[in-house]
Amino acid sequence: GAVVSQHPSRVICKSGTSVKIECRSLDFQATTMFWYRQFPKQSLMLMATSNEGSKATYEQGVEKDKFLINHASLTLSTLTVTSAHPEDSSFYICSASPPGDQPQHFGDGTRLSIL
Amino acid sequence: QKEVEQNSGPLSVPEGAIASLNCTYSDRGSQSFFWYRQYSGKSPELIMFIYSNGDKEDGRFTAQLNKASQYVSLLIRDSQPSDSATYLCAGSPSTNFGNEKLTFGTGTRLTIIP
Repeated sequence: GAVVSQHPSRVICKSGTSVKIECRSLDFQATTMFWYRQFPKQSLMLMATSNEGSKATYEQGVEKDKFLINHASLTLSTLTVTSAHPEDSSFYICSASPPGDQPQHFGDGTRLSIL
Repeated sequence: QKEVEQNSGPLSVPEGAIASLNCTYSDRGSQSFFWYRQYSGKSPELIMFIYSNGDKEDGRFTAQLNKASQYVSLLIRDSQPSDSATYLCAGSPSTNFGNEKLTFGTGTRLTIIP
């Protein structure tokens, strides 16, 4: 089945650090990937839609200058949390859909903790 | 505002019984619906998707869609302790849903009691 890989799985760093998270589609090409954030005991909230070769589309209320998305190839999208602060601590999850109108498959997620 | 609503639970069901999870949606334009299972601390995994009115069965799971009532459900037969998780309902505006945004409900926490 379709596999979406996310790295790293966990990050603990100091306030002010920038953190890059990678999302890869391992056995298919993905022109579109999605980035979600999930706070404890809450549902997934879509942050942005990552489009290969073009700018990402951000959801209302998500700061594009803080959450930088780069979709440089058909198998890789990256999310960089710039100058992270404790309130950015969350579970970040990416997803992608294989070709042929398949449902989204999720990566394993990245748990970000900002001290 | 497009919303997908679920009873947050927790829903407790005895082992071997049928678990029934419900979801309603407010956007009549929603066409496809998805059920994801999420274990604590893990990312969601797809259980089933449905876009036609009626029932769709896959093993112990049955998804039901009623577009007139804007209602989606997931039945889990012969519930097992390993089914204990949070179940997320999501909707998409298209039947060509591959690259469409999903709107998620808040999830229902299901506990199967041995």
